[in-house]
Amino acid sequence: EAQVTQNPRYLITVTGKKLTVTCSQNMNHEYMSWHRQDPGLGLRQIYYSMNVEVTDKGDVPEGYKVSRKEKRNFPLILESPSPNQTSLYFCASSPRDRAGNQPQHFGDGTRLSIL
Amino acid sequence: AQKITQTQPGMFVQEKEAVTLDCTYDTSDQSYGLFWYKQPSSGEMIFLIYQGSYDEQNATEGRYSLNFQKARKSANLVISASQLGDSAMYFCAMRGSGGFKTIFGAGTRLFVKA
Repeated sequence: EAQVTQNPRYLITVTGKKLTVTCSQNMNHEYMSWHRQDPGLGLRQIYYSMNVEVTDKGDVPEGYKVSRKEKRNFPLILESPSPNQTSLYFCASSPRDRAGNQPQHFGDGTRLSIL
Repeated sequence: AQKITQTQPGMFVQEKEAVTLDCTYDTSDQSYGLFWYKQPSSGEMIFLIYQGSYDEQNATEGRYSLNFQKARKSANLVISASQLGDSAMYFCAMRGSGGFKTIFGAGTRLFVKA
């Protein structure tokens, strides 16, 4: 089954304790991205990757890091989480899209609470 | 800068009636794509429909259609014959030329009444 898998689905942690949210896709997609969803703001893009070893900032990259060492994986790293990073996070993937016409496939989301 | 605006935070519709969810956008790209996603209470994001900036005909997918008015920069979602299962959050999104970034609107929560 074609899917984007995120782990963990839920996490409660404390300020300053480094955490990683993993994301893996099995569709051989070149493009992957991370978004956070907050009430009244919709989804905002954190980082995206056009291919292996190619990453770039989205609209809200502060406090986050990513890496793309393999095509299928795109982990999101919070080096020193803070309460304002409490949110619902989505990983997504799509085929390479030069014309802006590819819908993204989303994972089921990760709900992070930073105390 | 690119921007998506959804002006309806919440809407009610009677079961079996049609409903229109508004979306306006702003971009300087010549080539772009417009998408609608559905987010039920379970939280997953479900792709519904796509409209390309060069498409002359409005997109349709089953009960979903996209009313695309390029000159007005609007891409409204029309759901015909609403069902109780249509109750969800709906997001309008745009992907620009090059496919680098995707931006989303704030969403519209739709409530379908029996």
